[in-house]
Amino acid sequence: DQQVKQNSPSLSVQEGRISILNCDYTNSMFDYFLWYKKYPAEGPTFLISISSIKDKNEDGRFTVFLNKSAKHLSLHIVPSQPGDSAVYFCAASASGGNQFYFGTGTSLTVIP
Amino acid sequence: GAVVSQHPSRVICKSGTSVKIECRSLDFQATTMFWYRQFPKQSLMLMATSNEGSKATYEQGVEKDKFLINHASLTLSTLTVTSAHPEDSSFYICSPRKDNYGYTFGSGTRLTVV
Repeated sequence: DQQVKQNSPSLSVQEGRISILNCDYTNSMFDYFLWYKKYPAEGPTFLISISSIKDKNEDGRFTVFLNKSAKHLSLHIVPSQPGDSAVYFCAASASGGNQFYFGTGTSLTVIP
Repeated sequence: GAVVSQHPSRVICKSGTSVKIECRSLDFQATTMFWYRQFPKQSLMLMATSNEGSKATYEQGVEKDKFLINHASLTLSTLTVTSAHPEDSSFYICSPRKDNYGYTFGSGTRLTVV
């Protein structure tokens, strides 16, 4: 069964507005989470990460929020830009990082 | 749905030996298989793309004779690292894909060559 889920396969947002991508997980042992971005015909590129000791991590326009009690994390992009249009994956791992579990991705389209 | 099994999750091998990594799509048929590796603090790097029944297409800089990919069926692909060296130590991830499906990934294999 999928341990990491991204229930929205696609999302459209107007340029300049906030994009919120959601991710849910089932394994309470996960303690490290990552977001990847993938353009067509390219491999996923690392975007931002968060460990379970924090509930927020910010890097420029990208902020990841972690709600451990709800087993939920989200990626906020503010302001959204057309170049942000891509597929976004969340991934999670338990201590040691030897195994990563990926969501199936959310395709973000930022409309100019 | 879209369950992927990759194993082993972790392997330590001696330099010069070969290691085989298996990737299975358990509840769907993958027409395409992507193999990635990730070095510490770097992003996933695509190594090769294979379609069932045909030869894999390797990315620039990836030695096809060193990283043997077999995609003999729609549910199984293997990556064999031949004559492994310490610089091959990395995290390898498979990504089976079926047309019109979302992206799926294996849980990864941590290879350490000593």
